[in-house]
Amino acid sequence: GAVVSQHPSRVICKSGTSVKIECRSLDFQATTMFWYRQFPKQSLMLMATSNEGSKATYEQGVEKDKFLINHASLTLSTLTVTSAHPEDSSFYICSARLPAGTSGGSGDTQYFGPGTRLTVL
Amino acid sequence: GENVEQHPSTLSVQEGDSAVIKCTYSDSASNYFPWYKQELGKRPQLIIDIRSNVGEKKDQRIAVTLNKTAKHFSLHITETQPEDSAVYFCAATSWGQNFVFGPGTRLSVLP
Repeated sequence: GAVVSQHPSRVICKSGTSVKIECRSLDFQATTMFWYRQFPKQSLMLMATSNEGSKATYEQGVEKDKFLINHASLTLSTLTVTSAHPEDSSFYICSARLPAGTSGGSGDTQYFGPGTRLTVL
Repeated sequence: GENVEQHPSTLSVQEGDSAVIKCTYSDSASNYFPWYKQELGKRPQLIIDIRSNVGEKKDQRIAVTLNKTAKHFSLHITETQPEDSAVYFCAATSWGQNFVFGPGTRLSVLP
């Protein structure tokens, strides 16, 4: 249980285009999902918290108009990088929080997707 | 806000030896402390976690200890194997909110 998928795994795009990344919880419903960015050999940096049915909460310094997050269902959150530029190239990882009572979860454990490597040319 | 420090940044051990990674946190309200293992190009995998009402937890070769007073927690890996080589991240959170990760420790287990 607690499987999170992410699509695509890798994307290369031209500068100025928009890219959508999907994050799905496959065997549980996640009211809360998280989006992280990871630079090479660095830690995970939280970008935003995605809440089903409401607006995402962005961390300080993250442009909400550039990184659009939609959490339209209990199993799907999407991150759209708008007007991508080379400096947006990075490894983007989502995670979903296992709700309390699900598979023994207590409501605070996060399970990660496999990540999406974005390269903007 | 929460701040998590992690040491050492790199660690090399001989196969069969033990490895210890230490983290400190700043927010006394934090009550959940997971450890993740990340292999190159892959997702972080939860390997063990501990909550603030417990001082120690063990799962086969892996153990975690927590000192709430000193605000630090440690990961212990015994009888290390080459497949334990990876980057390990600690994290701290209060009720699942505001997850903050440490900077990571690159563990190399030498055969």
